[in-house]
Amino acid sequence: GESVGLHLPTLSVQEGDNSIINCAYSNSASDYFIWYKQESGKGPQFIIDIRSNMDKRQGQRVTVLLNKTVKHLSLQIAATQPGDSAVYFCAENNFGNEKLTFGTGTRLTIIP
Amino acid sequence: NAGVTQTPKFQVLKTGQSMTLQCAQDMNHNSMYWYRQDPGMGLRLIYYSASEGTTDKGEVPNGYNVSRLNKREFSLRLESAAPSQTSVYFCASSEWGSSSYNEQFFGPGTRLTVL
Repeated sequence: GESVGLHLPTLSVQEGDNSIINCAYSNSASDYFIWYKQESGKGPQFIIDIRSNMDKRQGQRVTVLLNKTVKHLSLQIAATQPGDSAVYFCAENNFGNEKLTFGTGTRLTIIP
Repeated sequence: NAGVTQTPKFQVLKTGQSMTLQCAQDMNHNSMYWYRQDPGMGLRLIYYSASEGTTDKGEVPNGYNVSRLNKREFSLRLESAAPSQTSVYFCASSEWGSSSYNEQFFGPGTRLTVL
């Protein structure tokens, strides 16, 4: 079946540097994508979303890029802080579908 | 707004015991979901309710039952717990139905251990 996957299971970044977390998706019908952050012992928290009619969307210190040609999604976090240490999931959806499909997650560790 | 709340936060059961996990949301969302999360794995959908009065199976429904009590509340029941059901359970809700994109909001989770 269709799935959402992540290229790297772990990523370590020096505090203050930028980090990039990648996600590949295989369902060409997907037209809505979400990034979630999950801190240890907590539920996933919405970070940012993007619809397929956009290539880029910016939030506070975060940017999501969507490349529909190669079915690739990335989350960029600028000037990483210790509080950014978490597992990051991407999820996909398509218009009218009541379910999300989640990737397995990437663990981001910020090195002081 | 409390968002999505879940009770209990932790639970230990013996094999064969039953229990109900409670979930409530105060965002007036139409849709509610139950997921389980196992180490090293992504979220897997157990059951969902696209609207009040309806429930549907997700990816891993065996061993579970659900009840959409009203628009706010969606409970998950384990009738006869098994060690394979040791997991962290998350409830989520979304506006899907009134908005056709499915941004889901999650509760804090219930950590269940079955001995």
